[in-house]
Amino acid sequence: DAKTTQPPSMDCAEGRAANLPCNHSTISGNEYVYWYRQIHSQGPQYIIHGLKNNETNEMASLIITEDRKSSTLILPHATLRDTAVYYCIVHGSGNTGKLIFGQGTTLQVKP
Amino acid sequence: DTGVSQNPRHKITKRGQNVTFRCDPISEHNRLYWYRQTLGQGPEFLTYFQNEAQLEKSRLLSDRFSAERPKGSFSTLEIQRTEQGDSAMYLCASSLARLAGAQETQYFGPGTRLLVL
Repeated sequence: DAKTTQPPSMDCAEGRAANLPCNHSTISGNEYVYWYRQIHSQGPQYIIHGLKNNETNEMASLIITEDRKSSTLILPHATLRDTAVYYCIVHGSGNTGKLIFGQGTTLQVKP
Repeated sequence: DTGVSQNPRHKITKRGQNVTFRCDPISEHNRLYWYRQTLGQGPEFLTYFQNEAQLEKSRLLSDRFSAERPKGSFSTLEIQRTEQGDSAMYLCASSLARLAGAQETQYFGPGTRLLVL
Protein backbone atom coordinates (compact mmCIF):
# COMPACT_ATOMS: atom_id res chain seq x y z
CA ASP A 1 0.00 0.00 0.00
CA ALA A 2 1.03 3.56 -0.65
CA LYS A 3 2.47 5.36 2.35
CA THR A 4 1.03 8.72 1.32
CA THR A 5 -2.36 10.41 1.43
CA GLN A 6 -3.39 13.03 -1.11
CA PRO A 7 -6.67 14.79 -1.86
CA PRO A 8 -8.31 13.17 -4.89
CA SER A 9 -8.77 16.40 -6.80
CA MET A 10 -8.00 20.11 -6.81
CA ASP A 11 -8.71 23.10 -9.01
CA CYS A 12 -6.42 26.01 -9.71
CA ALA A 13 -6.82 29.18 -11.77
CA GLU A 14 -4.40 29.64 -14.61
CA GLY A 15 -1.48 31.86 -13.60
CA ARG A 16 -1.97 31.25 -9.90
CA ALA A 17 0.14 29.06 -7.68
CA ALA A 18 -0.99 25.47 -7.27
CA ASN A 19 -0.26 24.00 -3.84
CA LEU A 20 -0.63 20.23 -3.70
CA PRO A 21 -0.48 18.67 -0.22
CA CYS A 22 0.69 15.22 0.76
CA ASN A 23 0.67 13.43 4.09
CA HIS A 24 3.30 10.80 4.83
CA SER A 25 3.18 10.40 8.59
CA THR A 26 4.94 7.01 8.60
CA ILE A 27 7.95 8.10 6.56
CA SER A 28 11.25 6.60 7.67
CA GLY A 29 14.48 8.51 8.17
CA ASN A 30 16.08 7.24 4.96
CA GLU A 31 13.05 7.73 2.74
CA TYR A 32 12.74 10.55 0.25
CA VAL A 33 9.59 12.30 -0.92
CA TYR A 34 9.19 12.12 -4.69
CA TRP A 35 6.67 13.84 -6.91
CA TYR A 36 5.67 12.67 -10.36
CA ARG A 37 2.87 13.80 -12.60
CA GLN A 38 1.03 12.05 -15.37
CA ILE A 39 -0.65 13.90 -18.15
CA HIS A 40 -3.43 11.98 -19.81
CA SER A 41 -2.24 8.90 -21.73
CA GLN A 42 1.44 9.65 -21.12
CA GLY A 43 4.04 8.05 -18.86
CA PRO A 44 4.69 9.58 -15.43
CA GLN A 45 7.04 12.56 -15.48
CA TYR A 46 9.52 13.15 -12.68
CA ILE A 47 9.11 16.55 -11.05
CA ILE A 48 11.20 16.83 -7.90
CA HIS A 49 12.31 15.01 -4.77
CA GLY A 50 13.66 15.85 -1.34
CA LEU A 51 14.74 14.35 1.96
CA LYS A 52 14.25 17.05 4.56
CA ASN A 53 15.28 20.37 3.07
CA ASN A 54 13.07 22.39 0.78
CA GLU A 55 13.92 21.94 -2.87
CA THR A 56 13.34 24.00 -6.00
CA ASN A 57 13.93 23.32 -9.66
CA GLU A 58 12.67 24.71 -12.94
CA MET A 59 9.38 22.92 -12.62
CA ALA A 60 8.34 23.28 -8.99
CA SER A 61 9.19 23.76 -5.34
CA LEU A 62 8.91 21.14 -2.64
CA ILE A 63 8.27 22.18 0.93
CA ILE A 64 8.77 19.46 3.57
CA THR A 65 7.66 20.06 7.14
CA GLU A 66 10.26 19.88 9.86
CA ASP A 67 8.85 16.61 11.23
CA ARG A 68 8.77 15.27 7.64
CA LYS A 69 5.23 14.01 8.07
CA SER A 70 3.86 16.10 5.26
CA SER A 71 4.92 18.07 2.22
CA THR A 72 3.57 20.47 -0.37
CA LEU A 73 4.38 20.65 -4.05
CA ILE A 74 4.13 24.17 -5.39
CA LEU A 75 3.69 25.03 -9.06
CA PRO A 76 4.29 28.79 -8.91
CA HIS A 77 2.37 29.86 -12.02
CA ALA A 78 0.08 27.08 -13.16
CA THR A 79 -0.76 26.80 -16.84
CA LEU A 80 -3.36 24.72 -18.63
CA ARG A 81 -0.61 22.25 -19.53
CA ASP A 82 -0.11 21.51 -15.82
CA THR A 83 -3.47 19.74 -15.73
CA ALA A 84 -2.50 16.21 -14.71
CA VAL A 85 -2.56 13.59 -11.96
CA TYR A 86 0.14 14.36 -9.39
CA TYR A 87 1.62 11.53 -7.37
CA CYS A 88 3.43 11.94 -4.09
CA ILE A 89 5.59 8.90 -3.34
CA VAL A 90 7.76 7.98 -0.38
CA HIS A 91 10.77 6.11 -1.67
CA GLY A 92 13.91 4.81 -0.07
CA SER A 93 16.57 2.21 -0.62
CA GLY A 94 14.65 -0.23 1.60
CA ASN A 95 11.90 -0.39 -1.01
CA THR A 96 14.25 -2.26 -3.35
CA GLY A 97 13.86 0.47 -5.93
CA LYS A 98 10.21 0.05 -6.82
CA LEU A 99 7.89 3.02 -6.61
CA ILE A 100 4.57 2.52 -4.88
CA PHE A 101 1.95 4.82 -6.39
CA GLY A 102 -1.26 5.83 -4.69
CA GLN A 103 -4.28 7.40 -6.36
CA GLY A 104 -2.68 10.81 -6.68
CA THR A 105 -4.33 14.22 -6.96
CA THR A 106 -6.01 15.24 -10.17
CA LEU A 107 -5.17 18.91 -10.67
CA GLN A 108 -7.42 20.80 -13.03
CA VAL A 109 -6.07 24.18 -14.11
CA LYS A 110 -8.87 26.40 -15.31
CA PRO A 111 -8.66 29.48 -17.54
CA ASP B 1 15.63 12.12 -27.87
CA THR B 2 17.62 10.42 -25.11
CA GLY B 3 14.70 9.43 -22.90
CA VAL B 4 13.18 6.02 -22.31
CA SER B 5 11.50 4.65 -25.40
CA GLN B 6 8.89 1.92 -25.69
CA ASN B 7 7.57 0.03 -28.68
CA PRO B 8 4.96 -0.44 -29.82
CA ARG B 9 2.96 2.45 -28.40
CA HIS B 10 -0.31 0.64 -28.97
CA LYS B 11 -1.17 -3.03 -29.40
CA ILE B 12 -4.51 -4.65 -30.07
CA THR B 13 -4.64 -8.42 -29.88
CA LYS B 14 -7.11 -11.23 -29.55
CA ARG B 15 -7.47 -13.23 -26.40
CA GLY B 16 -5.08 -16.15 -26.35
CA GLN B 17 -2.41 -14.52 -28.50
CA ASN B 18 1.11 -13.76 -27.31
CA VAL B 19 2.46 -10.21 -27.28
CA THR B 20 5.91 -8.77 -26.71
CA PHE B 21 6.83 -5.23 -25.75
CA ARG B 22 10.22 -3.60 -25.89
CA CYS B 23 11.79 -0.95 -23.69
CA ASP B 24 14.98 0.96 -24.41
CA PRO B 25 16.24 2.70 -21.27
CA ILE B 26 18.25 5.87 -20.99
CA SER B 27 21.79 5.09 -22.04
CA GLU B 28 24.00 3.82 -19.19
CA HIS B 29 21.10 3.40 -16.78
CA ASN B 30 21.71 0.15 -14.95
CA ARG B 31 18.21 -0.37 -13.55
CA LEU B 32 15.11 -1.02 -15.59
CA TYR B 33 11.59 -1.35 -14.22
CA TRP B 34 8.27 -2.55 -15.60
CA TYR B 35 4.95 -1.27 -14.26
CA ARG B 36 1.35 -1.84 -15.26
CA GLN B 37 -1.40 0.75 -15.07
CA THR B 38 -5.10 0.09 -15.42
CA LEU B 39 -7.69 2.79 -16.01
CA GLY B 40 -8.09 5.16 -13.09
CA GLN B 41 -5.30 3.61 -11.04
CA GLY B 42 -1.71 4.50 -10.36
CA PRO B 43 1.05 2.39 -11.89
CA GLU B 44 1.78 -0.93 -10.17
CA PHE B 45 5.23 -2.47 -10.00
CA LEU B 46 5.79 -5.68 -11.96
CA THR B 47 9.52 -6.39 -11.99
CA TYR B 48 12.94 -4.83 -12.20
CA PHE B 49 16.45 -5.53 -13.44
CA GLN B 50 19.83 -4.44 -12.27
CA ASN B 51 21.93 -4.80 -15.41
CA GLU B 52 20.85 -8.20 -16.78
CA ALA B 53 19.77 -9.68 -13.44
CA GLN B 54 16.07 -9.76 -12.62
CA LEU B 55 16.06 -8.91 -8.94
CA GLU B 56 12.41 -8.73 -7.99
CA LYS B 57 9.07 -9.86 -9.36
CA SER B 58 5.68 -8.79 -8.10
CA ARG B 59 2.99 -11.37 -7.38
CA LEU B 60 1.09 -9.55 -10.14
CA LEU B 61 3.53 -11.12 -12.60
CA SER B 62 1.81 -14.42 -13.28
CA ASP B 63 3.54 -17.29 -15.04
CA ARG B 64 2.14 -16.01 -18.33
CA PHE B 65 4.42 -12.99 -18.02
CA SER B 66 8.14 -13.07 -18.65
CA ALA B 67 10.66 -10.28 -18.82
CA GLU B 68 14.23 -10.31 -20.03
CA ARG B 69 17.13 -7.95 -20.26
CA PRO B 70 19.73 -10.16 -21.91
CA LYS B 71 22.60 -7.71 -22.36
CA GLY B 72 21.75 -5.26 -19.65
CA SER B 73 20.46 -2.73 -22.14
CA PHE B 74 16.97 -3.04 -23.66
CA SER B 75 14.30 -5.22 -22.10
CA THR B 76 11.33 -7.18 -23.39
CA LEU B 77 8.11 -8.06 -21.62
CA GLU B 78 6.17 -10.96 -23.07
CA ILE B 79 2.63 -11.95 -22.19
CA GLN B 80 1.57 -15.40 -23.29
CA ARG B 81 -2.05 -16.47 -23.83
CA THR B 82 -3.35 -12.97 -23.25
CA GLU B 83 -6.56 -12.45 -21.32
CA GLN B 84 -8.93 -9.49 -21.37
CA GLY B 85 -7.75 -8.60 -17.88
CA ASP B 86 -4.28 -7.95 -19.29
CA SER B 87 -5.59 -4.84 -21.03
CA ALA B 88 -3.62 -1.99 -19.50
CA MET B 89 -0.81 0.49 -20.06
CA TYR B 90 2.59 -1.14 -19.63
CA LEU B 91 5.21 1.34 -18.47
CA CYS B 92 8.95 1.06 -18.43
CA ALA B 93 11.29 3.18 -16.32
CA SER B 94 15.03 3.34 -15.94
CA SER B 95 17.42 4.72 -13.37
CA LEU B 96 21.08 4.93 -12.48
CA ALA B 97 21.87 3.41 -9.10
CA ARG B 98 25.49 4.15 -8.38
CA LEU B 99 25.77 2.15 -5.17
CA ALA B 100 23.83 -0.75 -3.74
CA GLY B 101 20.90 0.69 -1.85
CA ALA B 102 21.65 4.20 -3.12
CA GLN B 103 18.89 6.65 -3.90
CA GLU B 104 17.83 6.80 -7.51
CA THR B 105 15.36 8.66 -9.70
CA GLN B 106 13.31 6.70 -12.17
CA TYR B 107 12.45 8.12 -15.57
CA PHE B 108 9.48 6.70 -17.39
CA GLY B 109 8.81 5.96 -21.01
CA PRO B 110 5.56 6.79 -22.81
CA GLY B 111 4.10 3.34 -22.23
CA THR B 112 2.57 0.65 -24.41
CA ARG B 113 -1.21 0.51 -24.33
CA LEU B 114 -2.50 -3.04 -24.72
CA LEU B 115 -6.07 -3.91 -25.60
CA VAL B 116 -7.06 -7.57 -25.53
CA LEU B 117 -10.28 -8.31 -27.39
